[in-house]
Amino acid sequence: AQRVTQPEKLLSVFKGAPVELKCNYSYSGSPELFWYVQYSRQRLQLLLRHISRESIKGFTADLNKGETSFHLKKPFAQEEDSAMYYCALSGNQGGKLIFGQGTELSVKP
Amino acid sequence: DGGITQSPKYLFRKEGQNVTLSCEQNLNHDAMYWYRQDPGQGLRLIYYSQIVNDFQKGDIAEGYSVSREKKESFPLTVTSAQKNPTAFYLCASSITGGDYGYTFGSGTRLTVV
Repeated sequence: AQRVTQPEKLLSVFKGAPVELKCNYSYSGSPELFWYVQYSRQRLQLLLRHISRESIKGFTADLNKGETSFHLKKPFAQEEDSAMYYCALSGNQGGKLIFGQGTELSVKP
Repeated sequence: DGGITQSPKYLFRKEGQNVTLSCEQNLNHDAMYWYRQDPGQGLRLIYYSQIVNDFQKGDIAEGYSVSREKKESFPLTVTSAQKNPTAFYLCASSITGGDYGYTFGSGTRLTVV
């Protein structure tokens, strides 16, 4: 069965500290993986896709097929990074996304 | 201004009533989706549609119904059969395949009173 697991409900770090939001997935084929972010009072929006290998707002994520993980990382957290982050997987089922439970990131000054 | 619009923003329903949530997009996307967002449970797929006049059940379709008569519109009806309808509902759209990600609406918060 397809599944996305984000083990941390809440992650709290200080400004300037490194941050890693964990995401593990279960899928038998070659998945497409995404990170979405929801800032306070804003729409859920795409942060990055693994296939594009891009860095957005200083965040990167590497797909590790051996560990079935797609952790989101940023070397120096900023207060404006505080938000809800969702990891999502798309398999071969017509583009529908399976979302994880979400991790709330709180960056303290 | 291209985008996806959900209305209303807040909706109150009495027990036993059906209500319909609107979702309209002008992005020329073929695929549209309805998710339910509950604290601690992430987003769960209710229904999705990849083409006009066709739609499929998601993981939690019971108590919900949809239609897709136009490419731009994908309304969701929450019926009286839905046991726990109070939630935040999100609509999204994408080009076919979804590999470029979704565009989300701003959501509708439904409360049963």
